[in-house]
Amino acid sequence: NAGVTQTPKFQVLKTGQSMTLQCAQDMNHEYMSWYRQDPGMGLRLIHYSVGAGITDQGEVPNGYNVSRSTTEDFPLRLLSAAPSQTSVYFCASSYSVASSADTQYFGPGTRLTVL
Amino acid sequence: EDQVTQSPEALRLQEGESSSLNCSYTVSGLRGLFWYRQDPGKGPEFLFTLYSAGEEKEKERLKATLTKKESFLHITAPKPEDSATYLCAVQAHWIEGAQKLVFGQGTRLTINP
Repeated sequence: NAGVTQTPKFQVLKTGQSMTLQCAQDMNHEYMSWYRQDPGMGLRLIHYSVGAGITDQGEVPNGYNVSRSTTEDFPLRLLSAAPSQTSVYFCASSYSVASSADTQYFGPGTRLTVL
Repeated sequence: EDQVTQSPEALRLQEGESSSLNCSYTVSGLRGLFWYRQDPGKGPEFLFTLYSAGEEKEKERLKATLTKKESFLHITAPKPEDSATYLCAVQAHWIEGAQKLVFGQGTRLTINP
């Protein structure tokens, strides 16, 4: 298994540009999520999905869109990039959405800089 | 509000010098506490999950313990390859179906040979 994969690894955008960060997992996990990691802030939840066709907002959703058309893929779209979105983005997945805590496995990250 | 505080922020040890990292938490309804290791430029790598007070988990030189207010990651006779940032996260009761992890800031551990 490749686990959780993310592309691209690095990206530089200009303010106002849009782009999509790709995330895929080959573990047949139901749950997928996006986090951003900023110095001194820890990791914060942006959006999550409990299955294909179902998405919802996390703590910091403004400026981001997601969709989940398949179990494997969960892309994150930046609609109009702003310097405040400069961060490292991590995708994570876990097996189930059952009531007990389930381990989330993280991808390698995308480092995004918005000029 | 759910909070996780890790201490110290940074720790420098000599190879073989054992120590402990602390993770204090306040959460309304703990579902699980997770420890991750993160190397520079990489994603968090899962280490342990602890579910209830008194539980302990071990892996090589690492041992994680849990009380009702905090968790410790004990590192015994560390080696330079144990150098990394160690992240603690709690999974709290939130919106049904959402597995929101609340992360601490991490402890940056450096092991000198």
